[in-house]
Amino acid sequence: GQNIDQPTEMTATEGAIVQINCTYQTSGFNGLFWYQQHAGEAPTFLSYNVLDGLEEKGRFSSFLSRSKGYSYLLLKELQMKDSASYLCAVSVENNAGNMLTFGGGTRLMVKP
Amino acid sequence: NAGVTQTPKFQVLKTGQSMTLQCAQDMNHEYMSWYRQDPGMGLRLIHYSVGAGITDQGEVPNGYNVSRSTTEDFPLRLLSAAPSQTSVYFCASSYRGLSGNTIYFGEGSWLTVV
Repeated sequence: GQNIDQPTEMTATEGAIVQINCTYQTSGFNGLFWYQQHAGEAPTFLSYNVLDGLEEKGRFSSFLSRSKGYSYLLLKELQMKDSASYLCAVSVENNAGNMLTFGGGTRLMVKP
Repeated sequence: NAGVTQTPKFQVLKTGQSMTLQCAQDMNHEYMSWYRQDPGMGLRLIHYSVGAGITDQGEVPNGYNVSRSTTEDFPLRLLSAAPSQTSVYFCASSYRGLSGNTIYFGEGSWLTVV
């Protein structure tokens, strides 16, 4: 099976930078996703990493190290609207195709 | 383009009742799946399908049935509802090769079993 770990909660200040870590243990790794989920809403796609390195997209960046089973999501210039849960999800390949397994999510609270 | 449509959005059931959560997509995606999300937790896979006529179990399949008679529809059936099935349910669809922003989620169905 797959094991995905991320912190349960984090707090940061508006305008600051926060890094949300995700570690995973899996076989058949085929990519890692980050999703943002506001309360009462569906997850929305933030980033996808399949190769090692940093992917930058505006205020959000995501890093992957496949050898270490490690990823992080970096949020810069935090805004109050960034208060949400951030879900790390690993795609694994099996006989049926690709499966997506989610971590428990990190609830980020941005304070003024 | 409707994307992934889930119904109903809210439902209250009594213990022992049965019901079906509907999910439809209009993107001709091969891959469809159902997740449940309990308070403060991530999404857990219930059942999935890689094409019409093919379904398989995910991490938490007990108490749920699915079928995939068409590419577009993937209903989730609760056979005899239990309070432990109180949760938010999300349907998702994608092309078979997951990459990038290719997974589309429905808006969710809030189910309470009393």
